[in-house]
Amino acid sequence: GAVVSQHPSWVICKSGTSVKIECRSLDFQATTMFWYRQFPKQSLMLMATSNEGSKATYEQGVEKDKFLINHASLTLSTLTVTSAHPEDSSFYICSALIDTIYFGEGSWLTVV
Amino acid sequence: DAKTTQPPSMDCAEGRAANLPCNHSTISGNEYVYWYRQIHSQGPQYIIHGLKNNETNEMASLIITEDRKSSTLILPHATLRDTAVYYCIVRVNAGGTSYGKLTFGQGTILTVHP
Repeated sequence: GAVVSQHPSWVICKSGTSVKIECRSLDFQATTMFWYRQFPKQSLMLMATSNEGSKATYEQGVEKDKFLINHASLTLSTLTVTSAHPEDSSFYICSALIDTIYFGEGSWLTVV
Repeated sequence: DAKTTQPPSMDCAEGRAANLPCNHSTISGNEYVYWYRQIHSQGPQYIIHGLKNNETNEMASLIITEDRKSSTLILPHATLRDTAVYYCIVRVNAGGTSYGKLTFGQGTILTVHP
């Protein structure tokens, strides 16, 4: 069964609004989770490292004020895309570092 | 993490073995070779990993050359459901949270045909 679950699987939002994506580790505690973004026909790009109880670490070029990450518990990390624009439309994937690295199913975001 | 080079695409007939190569000539002594695959519109799925010995599990076999500069993932009896993008990644296996970060290349698009 799945070890890491994302919700929602897909979401459509209007430009200028914010949207939250959840990443949960099921039956395991994950102090560290990772958020990736994947545009069509491209590879996964790491956006940030989510650390439970502390601030996320963002990769170079990723706007931390636009992509808010919260890791308030050992089983949940959230990614909030603020003031979304059509160019933010993408496939967002999280992973959790447990005994190895497990990925969620991904979340499709479409901004219209 | 060391850079990897994979062919952009490969074809395989259903039921035959699929052999996916990966070059990692700059791999360090403490870096492992990991393989993941991504079926369309899904998150990556772990397949197998190894350091220097050949490894086998229920999904695949991993053959690593003696000098560790290249490896081959083998799917012994490919099925249509094995059609996916296969990623070869090298990274250290321990040492802080950074080892959970994976750097994905472009991978190999494997197409299994009837």
